[in-house]
Amino acid sequence: SQQGEEDPQALSIQEGENATMNCSYKTSINNLQWYRQNSGRGLVHLILIRSNEREKHSGRLRVTLDTSKKSSSLLITASRAADTASYFCATEHQGAQKLVFGQGTRLTINP
Amino acid sequence: DTAVSQTPKYLVTQMGNDKSIKCEQNLGHDTMYWYKQDSKKFLKIMFSYNNKELIINETVPNRFSPKSPDKAHLNLHINSLELGDSAVYFCASSRIDGGTQYFGPGTRLLVL
Repeated sequence: SQQGEEDPQALSIQEGENATMNCSYKTSINNLQWYRQNSGRGLVHLILIRSNEREKHSGRLRVTLDTSKKSSSLLITASRAADTASYFCATEHQGAQKLVFGQGTRLTINP
Repeated sequence: DTAVSQTPKYLVTQMGNDKSIKCEQNLGHDTMYWYKQDSKKFLKIMFSYNNKELIINETVPNRFSPKSPDKAHLNLHINSLELGDSAVYFCASSRIDGGTQYFGPGTRLLVL
């Protein structure tokens, strides 16, 4: 299975702290993407990192990719209550025209 | 302006019934998808269409039949609904070369 794994499954932190979520995958990828899903809503794309990139930033988000370890991390700095959501990594694998999603990390930011 | 829209938002029905979910995107994308998200939040692709042609069919029971009348629409028809079909179904779209996908708000299907 190409399905990625996310770690931790759930994370609860205080507002203002940084949150780090990890994603691992099994086979070579073209790109890796992170999505956010608020409760009862659809997924919203956050950031895409290509296999030849190591780090990308978008506002308070920082994504790293280590293709040798087949892993990625999403860092949210200075968290806010509005960041409370589930975060999914998704991988587009070489030779496949689809995204494979991990099981997600449920992030709770406590005020 | 809604980029990817789905109707209905909620669907409660009895086992054995036939139902349809509609999806429309106004992003001008060539590729559309259907995903199923189960109660554990696991999101799995069911189908993808590229310019009205079926590209991916992920071993979904043939009770599920997608139809794409044009590249802006991808509907999902489900025959003989079963309890295990209860889930949230998401439509998404992307440009032909993949990359970022844009998701609809989801259709919550409950089969009783």
